[in-house]
Amino acid sequence: KQEVTQIPAALSVPEGENLVLNCSFTDSAIYNLQWFRQDPGKGLTSLLLIQSSQREQTSGRLNASLDKSSGRSTLYIAASQPGDSATYLCAPDSSYKLIFGSGTRLLVRP
Amino acid sequence: GAVVSQHPSWVICKSGTSVKIECRSLDFQATTMFWYRQFPKQSLMLMATSNEGSKATYEQGVEKDKFLINHASLTLSTLTVTSAHPEDSSFYICSASFLELSNEQFFGPGTRLTVL
Repeated sequence: KQEVTQIPAALSVPEGENLVLNCSFTDSAIYNLQWFRQDPGKGLTSLLLIQSSQREQTSGRLNASLDKSSGRSTLYIAASQPGDSATYLCAPDSSYKLIFGSGTRLLVRP
Repeated sequence: GAVVSQHPSWVICKSGTSVKIECRSLDFQATTMFWYRQFPKQSLMLMATSNEGSKATYEQGVEKDKFLINHASLTLSTLTVTSAHPEDSSFYICSASFLELSNEQFFGPGTRLTVL
């Protein structure tokens, strides 16, 4: 059974810092892994999808890496802004099902 | 592209009534649709997976007679919470995927259900 852990659970940083959010998963037999952000009371916004054959994906200030064999993914946020404040969720796709971690709550202070 | 809508966005009902939530893929035909539930301060938990024209596959611990899923077309899936009780109050989110996009899931905005 796939289990997903995200560290840290919460993070508060001043604006402008570069951030690293970590995700680990127990079953390395995945098809892909997605990173999402969720604003309070809202649905999910897809940020990045990494296929199992890929090592990383980039979109703007976001970069996600995947080390499938060790069961780890990292989301790197460059030059953080207050608008980046949200909960970030990682979800590996095992057997065409997304299993979500409990998320990292990020607060970027002006 | 790849927009998924849900209706209603929020609903309040009395205990014992049934509530239907719709999930639509607006600009693509979804191979598969998924239903998730999220309790306050918790992450999303998959409830069931449905393919058009076939019965939904429910996750362990999810009562299929209580959470009725109908996937009548490639663009519409509905979740009906039957005989709702206060403990069913939650945030219900659907997603849709199609094979041509490597099964990436696109999520709806969610439906907040409050059962009094």
